[in-house]
Amino acid sequence: GENVEQHPSTLSVQEGDSAVIKCTYSDSASNYFPWYKQELGKRPQLIIDIRSNVGEKKDQRIAVTLNKTAKHFSLHITETQPEDSAVYFCAAARSNDYKLSFGAGTTVTVRA
Amino acid sequence: DADVTQTPRNRITKTGKRIMLECSQTKGHDRMYWYRQDPGLGLQLIYYSFDVKDINKGEISDGYSVSRQAQAKFSLSLESAIPNQTALYFCATSDPGPQETQYFGPGTRLLVL
Repeated sequence: GENVEQHPSTLSVQEGDSAVIKCTYSDSASNYFPWYKQELGKRPQLIIDIRSNVGEKKDQRIAVTLNKTAKHFSLHITETQPEDSAVYFCAAARSNDYKLSFGAGTTVTVRA
Repeated sequence: DADVTQTPRNRITKTGKRIMLECSQTKGHDRMYWYRQDPGLGLQLIYYSFDVKDINKGEISDGYSVSRQAQAKFSLSLESAIPNQTALYFCATSDPGPQETQYFGPGTRLLVL
């Protein structure tokens, strides 16, 4: 099955700086890579996703990059704000079944 | 997302008891999933269903069973609860297609004593 590894497990950044979270996956057939944000006590919410036909996708201050050859993908948050503080999860799946395999999560703390 | 609801939201039970967690959705999605979340382990897939007559095991199905009563309802049962099933349980739904995305319910916090 798919194995997704996520680093770092915790990340502390100064407000206004950038944050980068990296994930690797093992199944070369995976072609769907979502990122979820989970605030304390709440459900995971999709913030951005990327499919294997593109190498990069941006949505305002958030971007995701994908390197299928190396089997890794990354989340980039620019100009971080206190409300970006949360746990972020990466995941990978094949588009024929969308069974998500999640990374262990990264706790991001934005210092004011 | 109020379109996916879970009941109960919190539950305390004792070892050996049978317990059912319920998930309902008004999104009209065919696909439904059950995950458990443990600290430091992310979310792990327990069971999933692609339509009313389809049930599939996920990564960690031992000790759990499910029932897909209708397109909108997917229940998770712990036949004989044990303490290491203490966790946060999430239901999710999705609709097949080129832009398929999973939407999560609010979660059920379960404590097994």
